[in-house]
Amino acid sequence: QQQVKQSPQSLIVQKGGISIINCAYENTAFDYFPWYQQFPGKGPALLIAIRPDVSEKKEGRFTISFNKSAKQFSLHIMDSQPGDSATYFCAAYLTGNQFYFGTGTSLTVIP
Amino acid sequence: KAGVTQTPRYLIKTRGQQVTLSCSPISGHRSVSWYQQTPGQGLQFLFEYFSETQRNKGNFPGRFSGRQFSNSRSEMNVSTLELGDSALYLCASSLNTYEQYFGPGTRLTVT
Repeated sequence: QQQVKQSPQSLIVQKGGISIINCAYENTAFDYFPWYQQFPGKGPALLIAIRPDVSEKKEGRFTISFNKSAKQFSLHIMDSQPGDSATYFCAAYLTGNQFYFGTGTSLTVIP
Repeated sequence: KAGVTQTPRYLIKTRGQQVTLSCSPISGHRSVSWYQQTPGQGLQFLFEYFSETQRNKGNFPGRFSGRQFSNSRSEMNVSTLELGDSALYLCASSLNTYEQYFGPGTRLTVT
């Protein structure tokens, strides 16, 4: 059973636009929700993370919105740039257990 | 600070052979986790080691094993390779488990 479901699988956005990637999770015991960015030939890099007691976290152009009741969280990339073109993964972690990753979203930002 | 290093970066093996992959974590990090990344499944957790002890294990067959040394370096072994084992194997190190820093991965191709 997929613990974390991510959508869309791919996304094309114009430069300057807003990119939105969504994730839904099953286990209400998850207590840490990170987003990773991966460029071709590289390992994933931690972008931003949130805990379930916070509804929103912003770091620069990247924002996580968290809806505990709906068991959903999303990544918003404001003013998207061509350099943001990468694959993005959401994840959920249960302390003392393991990370469960979404299947990834390939983002392309068109100049 | 040097990042996570993984060797080798690329590997081609034949079905039935075994393979050993190596990971050197960031200095001071005692937690090392291994993941299998494939296009269809995304990142799947293999196992986590902390201070030479396996702390968590994912849902992979016993052909996949690992160990961690006193200097926190870790190795992962896959025996009796199958075609389906072709994947990018990622290692991540962490100081506190939550913030994981990934290496560039080892691309394993089984023919």
